[in-house]
Amino acid sequence: TQLLEQSPQFLSIQEGENLTVYCNSSSVFSSLQWYRQEPGEGPVLLVTVVTGGEVKKLKRLTFQFGDARKDSSLHITAAQPGDTGLYLCAGGNEKLTFGTGTRLTIIP
Amino acid sequence: GAVVSQHPSRVICKSGTSVKIECRSLDFQATTMFWYRQFPKKSLMLMATSNEGSKATYEQGVEKDKFLINHASLTLSTLTVTSAHPEDSSFYICSARDFGYSYEQYFGPGTRLTVT
Repeated sequence: TQLLEQSPQFLSIQEGENLTVYCNSSSVFSSLQWYRQEPGEGPVLLVTVVTGGEVKKLKRLTFQFGDARKDSSLHITAAQPGDTGLYLCAGGNEKLTFGTGTRLTIIP
Repeated sequence: GAVVSQHPSRVICKSGTSVKIECRSLDFQATTMFWYRQFPKKSLMLMATSNEGSKATYEQGVEKDKFLINHASLTLSTLTVTSAHPEDSSFYICSARDFGYSYEQYFGPGTRLTVT
């Protein structure tokens, strides 16, 4: 069974600060996705990383896929209240295995 | 972008009754759809994979006779919770994979089921 552990589980920081969320596994994934989910809604896809060592940027969000394709990170610069939500990494091809989730709260 | 809808968004039913949840891909064809369950403050747990024109594949521990899945067309999959009990209360989310892309799944807005 492929498991994806995210850390931290909870994170509450002030607006304007930077943060990094980690997604780790002992298994190799052909691709990893990052999603953000708000209460009462479905997850929204943020990015897909496919190549080991790949870095993708989405405005203030930077995603990195580990060289061995076992881990990934999400870095947010100058966090804003709109970044608040549940961040989920997910890996797999035919079917996704979701990470344990990181609940992020940005305090205005 | 790819849009997936779910209906209903919220449903309350009495114990012992059955509830059907629909998942539709609105602007693309989905040969494969997935059904997830999410408990409060938890991550998503895959229940089953729904393939158009064939039987669904259920994850270990998920009762296929209780959670009936039908994928009759390339844009519609349904999940029927039969003989619902309070412990079936949960947030059910579907996703669909665009036929043209291998990796990405697009998620519906979810259905909140409450069994009284």
